[in-house]
Amino acid sequence: EDQVTQSPEALRLQEGESSSLNCSYTVSGLRGLFWYRQDPGKGPEFLFTLYSAGEEKEKERLKATLTKKESFLHITAPKPEDSATYLCAVQARTGANNLFFGTGTRLTVIP
Amino acid sequence: KAGVTQTPRYLIKTRGQQVTLSCSPISGHRSVSWYQQTPGQGLQFLFEYFSETQRNKGNFPGRFSGRQFSNSRSEMNVSTLELGDSALYLCASSSYPDLPPGLAGGAHTQYFGPGTRLTVL
Repeated sequence: EDQVTQSPEALRLQEGESSSLNCSYTVSGLRGLFWYRQDPGKGPEFLFTLYSAGEEKEKERLKATLTKKESFLHITAPKPEDSATYLCAVQARTGANNLFFGTGTRLTVIP
Repeated sequence: KAGVTQTPRYLIKTRGQQVTLSCSPISGHRSVSWYQQTPGQGLQFLFEYFSETQRNKGNFPGRFSGRQFSNSRSEMNVSTLELGDSALYLCASSSYPDLPPGLAGGAHTQYFGPGTRLTVL
């Protein structure tokens, strides 16, 4: 059964204090791994798609990496506006298009 | 390009009623998926439509249904509402690449709308 586990559940950082969020996954053949950011009361905002182990993608202060068992979202020198819930999801090679989501990491960046 | 739009943004209903939610995908996107988000269960897949056909369905009761129109717009319906149906309902659209799903690069990135907040009293 497809499974996605995100850790930690919540993370508080001082502004400028870099850290990483973890997403461990089990899927019957990975088609893609996705990172989204979600602000309270809003829909998830797409950040990255990773397709295969060893792949890395960057966007501003965020960098996503992928191995065969997990993905990391590295946040470098975060700012208060980076505060949000970060969601990880996987898509399996079953022909179905649906995403299987983890429960997210709630990030708070303190000025 | 305009993003995914959903209407209405907020709904309050009572138990036993039914509700219809609407989603307009990004222009050119032919796949629309629906998800339910609750604090206890997180984001859970409801169903996916492509070219007016339901391609995939999640583990939800038959009270949850949907359809897609020829312009790719989609609606979902929930009949006989229960208190537990209170949730944020999210619609996501994606374009299908030409690659078969089994090949790397064939992942279908989904772009989400703002959601419809349904409260059942």
